[in-house]
Amino acid sequence: EVQLVESGGGLVQPGGSLRLSCAASGFTFSSFDMNWVRQAPGKGLEWVSYISSSSSTIYYADSVKGRFTISRDNAKNSLSLQMNSLRAEDTAVYYCARDLVGYDGDAFDIWGQGTMVTVSS
Amino acid sequence: DIQMTQSPSSLSASVGDRVTITCRASQSISTYLNWYQQKPGKAPKLLIYAASSLQSGVPSRFSGSGSGTDFTLTISSLQPEDFATYYCQQSYSASWTFGQGTKVEIK
Repeated sequence: EVQLVESGGGLVQPGGSLRLSCAASGFTFSSFDMNWVRQAPGKGLEWVSYISSSSSTIYYADSVKGRFTISRDNAKNSLSLQMNSLRAEDTAVYYCARDLVGYDGDAFDIWGQGTMVTVSS
Repeated sequence: DIQMTQSPSSLSASVGDRVTITCRASQSISTYLNWYQQKPGKAPKLLIYAASSLQSGVPSRFSGSGSGTDFTLTISSLQPEDFATYYCQQSYSASWTFGQGTKVEIK
């Protein structure tokens, strides 16, 4: 079964750090570009970051640029998001999402169940 | 960043109704437009990509159309499992943005 499972969420104080992980299974992880997408409580979806299959191309939303770092380990079928200098507005469910293959745009065809990050004192 | 605006923000409909949701981009995005369905407490699900291509496993009552700045998602005959929130997303420029969502509720 194709699956993405996020972990690492929790409660953190403003200014703190957290590292999210996403474990992939059921597909050849190294062949797919990956993303992080978040959703604040009761709000819509916000794309956060993208990493290509070989890690050669990385993008960030302006709202997290300079604070978040995306990375992957293809040998371990794992995607990560290092989040530093966290703010209250980073509070959200964070999803990892796979890019659809065979499409020259970017659509997210497989999503994890999400992990909740709460930034509060 | 490209802004995506959906309308309406919510709608009430009955089972069997034809439902249309629109999405407008702040600049031309060709056909780099995707649609997702999200149910409460669940991850989004890809329905349509490239404006009109049906994702594998998605029922044929869902269809998408449009190009440039104006797009539509149509559900030809609303089913009980279709009550959810729908989002459009542009993938034209590498700062992908979503619409604010359209909640489809039971009338």
